[in-house]
Amino acid sequence: DAGVIQSPRHEVTEMGQEVTLRCKPISGHDYLFWYRQTMMRGLELLIYFNNNVPIDDSGMPEDRFSAKMPNASFSTLKIQPSEPRDSAVYFCASSFSGVQQFFGPGTRLTVL
Amino acid sequence: KQEVTQIPAALSVPEGENLVLNCSFTDSAIYNLQWFRQDPGKGLTSLLLIQSSQREQTSGRLNASLDKSSGRSTLYIAASQPGDSATYLCAVRPSNTGNQFYFGTGTSLTVIP
Repeated sequence: DAGVIQSPRHEVTEMGQEVTLRCKPISGHDYLFWYRQTMMRGLELLIYFNNNVPIDDSGMPEDRFSAKMPNASFSTLKIQPSEPRDSAVYFCASSFSGVQQFFGPGTRLTVL
Repeated sequence: KQEVTQIPAALSVPEGENLVLNCSFTDSAIYNLQWFRQDPGKGLTSLLLIQSSQREQTSGRLNASLDKSSGRSTLYIAASQPGDSATYLCAVRPSNTGNQFYFGTGTSLTVIP
């Protein structure tokens, strides 16, 4: 398996633009997690899905953030409109039965 | 809410030294605990996973222990090498709040040749 795949790896955009981050989990995994990592706050859980259903989105910072998982092999995290304070590395992780998480390489987002 | 603390935030040791990284958590009701490694600019790599019923796990030069009652876990690295230089994070999965993982802020390790 290729592991968790994220795209794009780097994204630079201007304030106010819509940003869409993509994730393909490991085949057969039933949990998918979205994290954000910054120097100031460390690694924060934003939302996680089980069998494509959002279970806990309490970590989503505000209404500008939304996440979907239309099927078992694809998820998106959307920010609209983006702001400079959203600049961070966004990680997607997947696991089987929520036991051991496997992380993707991350998307480094810069909002100017 | 579970809080996870890692001390020290940074550690520098000479090559060949044995070292211990610490992780503490506030709620002992955990399902499992996981240690990760993160290289600069990279994602996280899972190192060891300890279930709540286990006391320790070993993989090569790494040994992780778990003491639920005291809310502590340690990661022991034997005979450290420059390639071990990275940030090490521990993550706790509580047993009563779904499948979230709570991460510590990490310990940045530098092994000096």
